[in-house]
Amino acid sequence: IAGITQAPTSQILAAGRRMTLRCTQDMRHNAMYWYRQDLGLGLRLIHYSNTAGTTGKGEVPDGYSVSRANTDDFPLTLASAVPSQTSVYFCASSDHGDSYNEQFFGPGTRLTVL
Amino acid sequence: GQNIDQPTEMTATEGAIVQINCTYQTSGFNGLFWYQQHAGEAPTFLSYNVLDGLEEKGRFSSFLSRSKGYSYLLLKELQMKDSASYLCAVGDSNYQLIWGAGTKLIIKP
Repeated sequence: IAGITQAPTSQILAAGRRMTLRCTQDMRHNAMYWYRQDLGLGLRLIHYSNTAGTTGKGEVPDGYSVSRANTDDFPLTLASAVPSQTSVYFCASSDHGDSYNEQFFGPGTRLTVL
Repeated sequence: GQNIDQPTEMTATEGAIVQINCTYQTSGFNGLFWYQQHAGEAPTFLSYNVLDGLEEKGRFSSFLSRSKGYSYLLLKELQMKDSASYLCAVGDSNYQLIWGAGTKLIIKP
């Protein structure tokens, strides 16, 4: 692994189903983030984690949950998917959890909820 | 509320110079980033400003005026591969990045 990876690349999901998007980084970064990107809107922060064992809510956390059991992994779970969660999801990481540090992005997961 | 404004789309000619503006209103200021995002790909870091002035990096430069809540990204000697969206992001008082919607730059031969 080099950098930050996400899985799956894309997914079509029936409304009401549970889904976990996976994110793994090998840069030993302390902070990790989940964003969604929708057409015409900027990236919006869903949840973040400044260090393993801690998480925080971003701008649009409703309907999503995260965990940070170790430094490398930061999965995002949709408990019961709804069509408004159709979006491109990006995971990112940075050395520290402040805005002075460059964020490195994964390739994204394109999620469609029908 | 917090707001980042950028033009939605700009067109420029190969070999020319283009300036992409970004104005922001945020609760506090803790740095400003520019990222490049090609269609269907992840954003990648271009530049970072925390003090007023110009930061130059090859063909790309970024300027910041904190008193005016204003930044621009200057791209020189445009190449076709520069066709992409350019995202402006500002660190707010909680040290979280607030993102603009991005400027889609179209380069014509």
